[in-house]
Amino acid sequence: GAVVSQHPSWVICKSGTSVKIECRSLDFQATTMFWYRQFPKQSLMLMATSNEGSKATYEQGVEKDKFLINHASLTLSTLTVTSAHPEDSSFYICSARVSASYNEQFFGPGTRLTVL
Amino acid sequence: AQSVAQPEDQVNVAEGNPLTVKCTYSVSGNPYLFWYVQYPNRGLQFLLKYITGDNLVKGSYGFEAEFNKSQTSFHLKKPSALVSDSALYFCAAHFLSGGYNKLIFGAGTRLAVHP
Repeated sequence: GAVVSQHPSWVICKSGTSVKIECRSLDFQATTMFWYRQFPKQSLMLMATSNEGSKATYEQGVEKDKFLINHASLTLSTLTVTSAHPEDSSFYICSARVSASYNEQFFGPGTRLTVL
Repeated sequence: AQSVAQPEDQVNVAEGNPLTVKCTYSVSGNPYLFWYVQYPNRGLQFLLKYITGDNLVKGSYGFEAEFNKSQTSFHLKKPSALVSDSALYFCAAHFLSGGYNKLIFGAGTRLAVHP
């Protein structure tokens, strides 16, 4: 149980286009979902936290108009990278957590975004 | 400030030997601590967590971790390493910020197990 999927697993796009990444909890309802960004050989940096039905909370330094997050249901959150630029190229990972804050987060397999 | 430190970028160990991956934390209140493992181009897999109770926590794939409050440490251990254990390991601590519960990750430690 506790499987989180991401789609697509990798994407290449042209500079200036927008890319949508989906994160789904397959066998549980996630009250909270998280979006992380990971640069090569670095740790995960939290970008934003989203709760179903409410606006996402972005970390300091993350542009909310550039990284649009929609948590439409208890099993789906989407991250849209708008007007992507080469510096947005990274590995994006989502995670989902069930209710209580001490519960572990279950991570998706990640999406590698390359912007040409 | 809340932080998690993994002092070693890489740990090398021979197959069959015991391994330790170090983690120290600095978070306010009672810490919730986690270990995750990441294989190349994959997301993180949960290994184990400490919430309360017994200081020795047992997790997946034969891993265990010992919570030491006085040393603010949560080192990951395994009695006998396997080549397949080679991966990137992250220690994480849960904390409350701005009314939200978040995880803060250490920088990661690459474990290389040699045959």
